[in-house]
Amino acid sequence: AQTVTQSQPEMSVQEAETVTLSCTYDTSESDYYLFWYKQPPSRQMILVIRQEAYKQQNATENRFSVNFQKAAKSFSLKISDSQLGDAAMYFCAYRRGDMRFGAGTRLTVKP
Amino acid sequence: DAGVTQSPTHLIKTRGQQVTLRCSPKSGHDTVSWYQQALGQGPQFIFQYYEEEERQRGNFPDRFSGHQFPNYSSELNVNALLLGDSALYLCASSLEGQGAADTQYFGPGTRLTVL
Repeated sequence: AQTVTQSQPEMSVQEAETVTLSCTYDTSESDYYLFWYKQPPSRQMILVIRQEAYKQQNATENRFSVNFQKAAKSFSLKISDSQLGDAAMYFCAYRRGDMRFGAGTRLTVKP
Repeated sequence: DAGVTQSPTHLIKTRGQQVTLRCSPKSGHDTVSWYQQALGQGPQFIFQYYEEEERQRGNFPDRFSGHQFPNYSSELNVNALLLGDSALYLCASSLEGQGAADTQYFGPGTRLTVL
């Protein structure tokens, strides 16, 4: 069974600084998708970034980028120039068929 | 372009009752997935509906059932409610079989409290 592990229950970053959230997953498949979702206190799950496993190039969306290491089964999220609005729970997710989520990392942004 | 909508926002039930939650997918999407998110945890996959049929199912008992209508909207039904069913129920929609099909877009959720 595929599992997703987020080893950092909480992270903190100073406004305008950079922070990296970790995620590892376990799978025997070669073709799958990986996602980072953000869930603010409003509780709506918002897509941050998406990565196809067959693509070697790391996905980037403005201030958000990933470091995808397929062999190591690692998928970390880097947030550059952190803003107060980035404060939220961040979930890493794996999808091949159904979607599997990690337990989440709570990110605090300090002004 | 309307996103994923869910109703109701909050719901309070007592043990043994039955509940129905509703979801309308994002415009143009044809697939609906349901998730249960307990407090402080990541979402857990319940099931997915495509072409009005349950296509995949997670590790949830038969008390959890669903339906998809011809307009792609969906319902989640939970029978014989238990205290442990208290959670945020999330609906997500996607367009299967297309280039970006595997991206799911989530609704705001329904907070169910079982007393």
